Formats: sequence, C-alpha cells, structure tokens
Amino acid sequence: ETGVTQTPRHLVMGMTNKKSLKCEQHLGHNAMYWYKQSAKKPLELMFVYNFKEQTENNSVPSRFSPECPNSSHLFLHLHTLQPEDSALYLCASSQDDGSRETQYFGPGTRLLVL
Amino acid sequence: AQSVTQPDIHITVSEGASLELRCNYSYGATPYLFWYVQSPGQGLQLLLKYFSGDTLVQGIKGFEAEFKRSQSSFNLRKPSVHWSDAAEYFCAVVPASGGYQKVTFGTGTKLQVIP
Repeated sequence: ETGVTQTPRHLVMGMTNKKSLKCEQHLGHNAMYWYKQSAKKPLELMFVYNFKEQTENNSVPSRFSPECPNSSHLFLHLHTLQPEDSALYLCASSQDDGSRETQYFGPGTRLLVL
Repeated sequence: AQSVTQPDIHITVSEGASLELRCNYSYGATPYLFWYVQSPGQGLQLLLKYFSGDTLVQGIKGFEAEFKRSQSSFNLRKPSVHWSDAAEYFCAVVPASGGYQKVTFGTGTKLQVIP
C-alpha cells in the first residue's frame, strides 16, 4: 500500500465509449502524474500537475483529457480511443515535481480497447 | 536528447546467487538516477536514487547501485537474491534541473529467480 489508489483496476472499452480513470493520493502531496506503460516500451510520462496546475503535456493525443480538481485527485478522461491505447495506466504523486522528490505509484489501471 | 538503456531484457538467477542489472544513460550532464522495482500487478516502487556525492548508494531490500561517471552507468546489485526479488526493474534519469517533466525510463529488466 503506497498511499496512491487507482480505480478501476481493469477496464475494457470500445472505441466509441467514454470512460474515466481515477487516482487518489492520501500522502498530502502536491504533484500528480499520469504514465502509460506498454509492453516492451519505456514508461511514458503523459501529464504532470503541480499544485493543480498542468505543467507538462507530453504530446498526448486529445482523446486523453486529464483533470486535477484538487491536489489529492487526478482523473484521466478517455474518449474515442484506439486499440493501440491499450496499456497499463499508472498514476503517481510526489511532494512537488522537483527532481529530488520521491514518486509514489499506484497499482495502475489495465485498459483494453476493443 | 537523454536516453536510458537497460541491455538485458530478461535475467534468470538462482536463489542465493548475486545479481547485477545494468543501466547506461546518455545525457549532457550528470542527471539524477533512480532504480524502481515493479512486482506483478503493482505499480513501481523506488529502490534507491543518486543525486551526488558517494557513488555507491544503498537502497531498500538489500539493493545497492554504483554510479560510474566515466562509463555513464548506474548498475544495480544485490549480493544474495531471494525468491521474492522476482520482478521487473526499471532505471530512470531526471535532469538535475527541470523536474520530473523530463524523466526518461529504461525498458526494464525482468528478473526470474529459480530455486
């Protein structure tokens, strides 16, 4: 238990569906992150939020839409996804987004797009 | 652009044997360096990190890593592997200035431990 929870743990969706991934951290951190983990590829940073402000959008397609209503919650809204978007989506948090901070990861949401 | 290479995709060791996982990076200056472990069905957990100073870094679960500037390497070691160490291990680099926005991960090394 890292203090970062993600729901749902598994999700199957069609290409025309809309769904949302949720992340919650109970560590009092101010920075939150979304990563995509695909088989045989390096972990890819998607979005960074620091004090609720987005500080990085790593050329992510617009079919992925993040939302950070407060420092404890992070959402990833999904719509009209493609099969290549199937992956493990990991959320992480840290005290702030500085390089010396330790990131704490959630267990991930395994997404399958049909 | 910075890059991280973990040359070994899969490694098998016997329980009780020593372990070394390789990590090489390419970056203009010395970055901050990290090793993470991911057990099946779990997220990543930080094992250890290097910022500066002593080039031999101790981490959790009996792991250590040595930073070698001349070789641009940050190899992870453990003197005696336990069955519970079976997992996937990731090396990562972050610029000393600029924050996690510029993090780069390696592709990972999957460790199998046999009795």
